[in-house]
Amino acid sequence: EVQLVESGGGLVQPGGSLRLSCTASGFTFSAHYMDWVRQAPGKGLEWVGRTRIKANSYSTQYAASVNGRLTISRDDSRNSLYLQMNSLKTEDTAVYYCVRVSTGYYLDYWGQGTLVTVSS
Amino acid sequence: DIQLTQSPSFLSASVGDRVTITCRASQGISSYLAWFQQKPGEAPNLLIYAASTLQSGVPSRFSGSGSGTEFTLTISSLQPEDFATYYCQQRNSYPITFGQGTRLEIK
Repeated sequence: EVQLVESGGGLVQPGGSLRLSCTASGFTFSAHYMDWVRQAPGKGLEWVGRTRIKANSYSTQYAASVNGRLTISRDDSRNSLYLQMNSLKTEDTAVYYCVRVSTGYYLDYWGQGTLVTVSS
Repeated sequence: DIQLTQSPSFLSASVGDRVTITCRASQGISSYLAWFQQKPGEAPNLLIYAASTLQSGVPSRFSGSGSGTEFTLTISSLQPEDFATYYCQQRNSYPITFGQGTRLEIK
């Protein structure tokens, strides 16, 4: 069974930093691109970014709204995905989901999400 | 960026009804479209990908169609567990984008 478990969310002040983690199980983590998607309270879904696999040099892609502030990385030896969040803004407040990308490049499995609140 | 516009944004229907949700893309995206269902407090769940392919485990009352710029999600006979919010999403080009959502409520 595919499982994605996020952790690391919490309350942080504007301008602060936070690192989210996602631990994967039930599939060959190293073979899949992985995404982060977020959802502000009461709002819709917003794609944050993607990390590709080793064969693609672990290259990344980001939404313009987070480019330069949020960084996605992965550790295949630990079956883990990370989101380093710097220079946080109040508008980054959201539930952050770790998402597996299928071989057809669709978002097929989602974690339960972790809430990040940016507030003074 | 490719914009996805869903209609309606809100839909009130009864158990047993047939409902259709439309997703229009601001430019052609071939068949690179997915549909998700999200219930309150839960993560989104993939229903359909490649515009019309049913994800494993999803009931056959859900179906999708379309290509290019216009797509539809149809639920043939609403069940109580189908009342939720539905999102379309394109993977044709970066950045990946979602529609604004359609909230389906019980009449």
